[in-house]
Amino acid sequence: KAGVTQTPRYLIKTRGQQVTLSCSPISGHRSVSWYQQTPGQGLQFLFEYFSETQRNKGNFPGRFSGRQFSNSRSEMNVSTLELGDSALYLCASSPRQGQLSSYNEQFFGPGTRLTVL
Amino acid sequence: GIQVEQSPPDLILQEGANSTLRCNFSDSVNNLQWFHQNPWGQLINLFYIPSGTKQNGRLSATTVATERYSLLYISSSQTTDSGVYFCAVDSSGGSYIPTFGRGTSLIVHP
Repeated sequence: KAGVTQTPRYLIKTRGQQVTLSCSPISGHRSVSWYQQTPGQGLQFLFEYFSETQRNKGNFPGRFSGRQFSNSRSEMNVSTLELGDSALYLCASSPRQGQLSSYNEQFFGPGTRLTVL
Repeated sequence: GIQVEQSPPDLILQEGANSTLRCNFSDSVNNLQWFHQNPWGQLINLFYIPSGTKQNGRLSATTVATERYSLLYISSSQTTDSGVYFCAVDSSGGSYIPTFGRGTSLIVHP
């Protein structure tokens, strides 16, 4: 089974621009989560999507948004980029089945390294 | 929210040595995972272990859920074990949002 894939792997943007990152989960996984990793804050949860609906959201400003398509692929968008948005953005998929399911093993993609100049 | 503390923050070993990494958490959990992040940033699943003991080659892990800690054992370290080891948990309180510890940075010298 193919793993989680993320595109692009590297990205350089300038302040004020916007960016869209893409994630394809493991086949059969309907839950997709996004994380931001920085040296200062560590790994922080952004949001989770399940069956095209945002199910959980971390403590990030509204400039960070996402969506999920019917094939479970997900995109996240960051508008009006700031220097502090430079980070490794990681996507994870999970075989978690529903809102009441407590099993939530995460499988991560290789990440997108975003640099904001 | 749940607090996750990992220790030690840094560890330097000679090849062949053994080590124990610890993860303490502040609340009961539904899920607990150990990951190894390689130098390219990829998070590699080591164990899914909300309770009990598991072994995979030179690595093993034990979670004592009632005492709110998990241990990762690395035996006969190799240079390829270098990287950062993360513990991630989500609270049984119902949010299912994984919280990561700050990690243990391991360097194994030949």
